[in-house]
Amino acid sequence: GQQLNQSPQSMFIQEGEDVSMNCTSSSIFNTWLWYKQDPGEGPVLLIALYKAGELTSNGRLTAQFGITRKDSFLNISASIPSDVGIYFCAGQLDGTASKLTFGTGTRLQVTL
Amino acid sequence: EAQVTQNPRYLITVTGKKLTVTCSQNMNHEYMSWYRQDPGLGLRQIYYSMNVEVTDKGDVPEGYKVSRKEKRNFPLILESPSPNQTSLYFCASSIIPGPGANVLTFGAGSRLTVL
Repeated sequence: GQQLNQSPQSMFIQEGEDVSMNCTSSSIFNTWLWYKQDPGEGPVLLIALYKAGELTSNGRLTAQFGITRKDSFLNISASIPSDVGIYFCAGQLDGTASKLTFGTGTRLQVTL
Repeated sequence: EAQVTQNPRYLITVTGKKLTVTCSQNMNHEYMSWYRQDPGLGLRQIYYSMNVEVTDKGDVPEGYKVSRKEKRNFPLILESPSPNQTSLYFCASSIIPGPGANVLTFGAGSRLTVL
């Protein structure tokens, strides 16, 4: 099955820094989702994007749906220790969960 | 509290010894799914179910079985586990959506080690 490539695979940053990560696909999607997995927990939805070019914020998080529909970006501003975790992108073509494709994940570590 | 509950959370077993990981949701969701998470590979879908008695293969179904006899339960069965099934497993559920995103609710995960 298809997988989405996320970059970077991991990152170590200092508290207060901004973070950028992206997700690319060889095929188009109609919906992009970003999930966060805290250590020892299951993924939780952060942001959902429904339209090419859409820019959506959720607190310090901002995500964008690429205009080619083959990529998406997530930015975290002024990182804090609780931002630690694995961030997954997911693409959806036809609105059914059975067709949800997850990315390989970006592991974020925040140092004080 | 609305949640997806998986058991066991941790399990160490030996090759060939059948095991079942249970998954239960209390949200009356039609859709349920199993994923495995491996380093560098992200989340890969094993099996999913659109409703009771309806199941289908995901991307990596080999070596696994599922059943959906009741709406709330979706157990994952490893008839003869092998070391390459050592992984972190997640169960997830959602309503069947219309156009737009489908919000999956995940369980806390089950870490399985097969020796």
